Amino acid sequence: NAGVTQTPKFRILKIGQSMTLQCAQDMNHNYMYWYRQDPGMGLKLIYYSVGAGITDKGEVPNGYNVSRSTTEDFPLRLELAAPSQTSVYFCASSDNKRGANQPQHFGDGTRLSIL
Amino acid sequence: SQKIEQNSEALNIQEGKTATLTCNYTNYSPAYLQWYRQDPGRGPVFLLLIRENEKEKRKERLKVTFDTTLKQSLFHITASQPADSATYLCALEMDSSYKLIFGSGTRLLVRP
Repeated sequence: NAGVTQTPKFRILKIGQSMTLQCAQDMNHNYMYWYRQDPGMGLKLIYYSVGAGITDKGEVPNGYNVSRSTTEDFPLRLELAAPSQTSVYFCASSDNKRGANQPQHFGDGTRLSIL
Repeated sequence: SQKIEQNSEALNIQEGKTATLTCNYTNYSPAYLQWYRQDPGRGPVFLLLIRENEKEKRKERLKVTFDTTLKQSLFHITASQPADSATYLCALEMDSSYKLIFGSGTRLLVRP
């Protein structure tokens, strides 16, 4: 049981390039989330999904896209990388089939630099 | 919108003492509040959840309180150890949904 797995761990992009951050969970959780964490700041929600085929925007969705074709996978897409997207990106999942108040399980992040 | 305030200054204490971290929020009282631990280079790890009708929750050396009148939660680590050194994040439900809003965290340093 690996939990939440994120790849890659590190990446450097040039301005204008695109990339996909991968996230997979093996806990059969229905909810999945993408956050970004800037130095000294709290986690900001980018997008979330309540199940396969359903996604919705969080606090800071601009410049990102997501898809959820399976329960396990929730990739995050950056289409035109900008320096403001330099950050650490965390994927998380939770089992909300039993209702709210469930803890979130996090991956170890992708450290992304846009130069 | 809901805002969370955690002390941005690091808390530096001696091993064996009790560490107390504060989480204040500004608007509506959430139905529940969560605490996470984050080590450098790692993702947050869930520690405790407390509901609005619970005044106190304990887990081993950890204790969380929730005061909806003061709009505050306190997180205590008793008999602290150097291994407790980490950043501790407070999180509240966002807009009565399943989403969370996180504080920026307080760094705890426990000296041997």
